[in-house]
Amino acid sequence: AQSVAQPEDQVNVAEGNPLTVKCTYSVSGNPYLFWYVQYPNRGLQFLLKYITGDNLVKGSYGFEAEFNKSQTSFHLKKPSALVSDSALYFCAVRDNRVRGGGFKTIFGAGTRLFVKA
Amino acid sequence: GAGVSQSPSNKVTEKGKDVELRCDPISGHTALYWYRQSLGQGLEFLIYFQGNSAPDKSGLPSDRFSAERTGGSVSTLTIQRTQQEDSAVYLCASSQRRLAGQETQYFGPGTRLLVL
Repeated sequence: AQSVAQPEDQVNVAEGNPLTVKCTYSVSGNPYLFWYVQYPNRGLQFLLKYITGDNLVKGSYGFEAEFNKSQTSFHLKKPSALVSDSALYFCAVRDNRVRGGGFKTIFGAGTRLFVKA
Repeated sequence: GAGVSQSPSNKVTEKGKDVELRCDPISGHTALYWYRQSLGQGLEFLIYFQGNSAPDKSGLPSDRFSAERTGGSVSTLTIQRTQQEDSAVYLCASSQRRLAGQETQYFGPGTRLLVL
């Protein structure tokens, strides 16, 4: 069965410092991995995804994530945090094997990022 | 272009009543998903529609929940005999099916349901 874990409920970082939001996953096949962000009073927005190829994936707003197969991780990173990055971040995983009629996406519980000025 | 829209944006109902939540996906998107986001919790998958295929209903929490998608476009999520634990934000997403499983989902703003 697929699962995804975001071990930190909350991450606090000072503006200008690097940030990391952690995600680990479990799938039977090969994973498709996603990060989404939810700003206050707004819907979820896609940030980036890993399908295949380079382990370092670059996405929107200067974010990147590194796929590490041996550690089954897909941590989200940004070299220099902004106050405007404060939001709720969700990691998601899909198994690349077809089951039934479609693909179920499993989301983590979310990590709230606070960036202080 | 227009994104995913959901209505109503907020719904307050009494325990035991039925509610219908509507989702209008992005035009041309063949896949549609419903999720539930409870306070302090992550997104819980409910149901997935892909074209004319049988929907994946494996995430529906009970038989009080059902969903349909008419004409491959608009979807309605129905909750019968609502309970207080049904209170949550219900999110709809759509995607354009490409290589299976790789597509990005585009989310609507959600319907905030409160069951009194």
